[in-house]
Parts: sequence; C-alpha cells; structure tokens
Amino acid sequence: EAQVTQNPRYLITVTGKKLTVTCSQNMNHEYMSWYRQDPGLGLRQIYYSMNVEVTDKGDVPEGYKVSRKEKRNFPLILESPSPNQTSLYFCASRQGNDNEQFFGPGTRLTVL
Amino acid sequence: GENVEQHPSTLSVQEGDSAVIKCTYSDSASNYFPWYKQELGKGPQLIIDIRSNVGEKKDQRIAVTLNKTAKHFSLHITETQPEDSAVYFCAAGANFGNEKLTFGTGTRLTIIP
Repeated sequence: EAQVTQNPRYLITVTGKKLTVTCSQNMNHEYMSWYRQDPGLGLRQIYYSMNVEVTDKGDVPEGYKVSRKEKRNFPLILESPSPNQTSLYFCASRQGNDNEQFFGPGTRLTVL
Repeated sequence: GENVEQHPSTLSVQEGDSAVIKCTYSDSASNYFPWYKQELGKGPQLIIDIRSNVGEKKDQRIAVTLNKTAKHFSLHITETQPEDSAVYFCAAGANFGNEKLTFGTGTRLTIIP
C-alpha cells in the first residue's frame, strides 16, 4: 500500500529535550515536506526536500532541522523544543510540482 | 511569496444542500490549485485539483472553478452527505522551481442531517 508513515503519532515532552519525528514514504517520491498545523493558521511548511541531500527552508523553519540521506526518509529534528512548537505535524511527499501530495497521519506534539 | 485566503472558516449546511468554499491567491505565477479534505484524526487527502489551463473541473458531486483573472478558485459540493463533514483546505502552487504549496487556513464543513 502506497503510504507516508510518521512516528510517533503522539509525543509529550519537556522544554529543551531533543526529539526526532520520523517520516518514511514507499512511493519513491522525490519531493518531501514537513508542515505544522495550528488552529486558524492552516498548514504551514517548515522544510522541504527536492531530492536526497537537497533541503530548503519553508515558511516557519526556526527551531527545526531536517535531513534527507535516503530518498524514502525525511526526519524532523527539534534540537531544543519549546512550548510554541506544540502543534500537529504532517509529513508529505509527491513526485512532481503538480502531482498529488500524500500526507502522513500526523504527529501531535506537546512541549511542556 | 504566495498568500492564500480561504472563506468561510466554518460552514454548516443541511444534508442534500450545496456547499461552496472560496479561496483567493496573490501570485499570478501559481498554476496548480488542489483541494484537500481532512477527516478527524487523519492527514489531509487530495479530493480534486485544477490546473490553470482549465476553468472548471468536476468529479461526481465535487467541482472546482478557477478564475485566473480575478485570482480566485472555489470548491462546490452538491447533494451534501454526512460523510462530507470535514475540514477542507485549498492550496496554490507553481509548476516550476521548488516544491512549495501554500495552503489556506481551512474550512470546517458540518453537514446537518
């Protein structure tokens, strides 16, 4: 089954404790993105990657890091989480600029 | 950069009636306009998209219209059913350069039985 998977689905952590949210897709897509979803703000892009070893900032990159060492994986790293990073996070992938974007199931992160 | 505005933020319609959600965009270079449906506890899922070379596209009860001159596009759902209740997002993007899609802020659609 073609899909994007994220782990964990739920995470509660404390300020300053480094964490990684994993993302993996099995569709051989070149493009991958991370979004955060906040009430009233919709989906905002954090980082994106056009291919292996190619990443760039989206609209709200502050406090986040990503890496793309393999085509299928695109982890999101929070080196020192803060409460304002409490949000619902989605990973997404697609093959081209105007092809369907597939979203993962989401990771709900709470930073205390 | 691109800015997408979406209205209304909430919409309630009687089952069987039609629902319309509207979006405007700012970047005339945008030429790809997808609509996503997000059900509770799930990630957004593409329901229909339109490219700038057409003005309207229909898929059963769902249709999207695009007015490039006015820079707005709309989602139309006819004969609404309870399973249409969800949050709907519009988005706009360009078919070149980076992979960026800019999303609207979402519309929570509630179908009243």
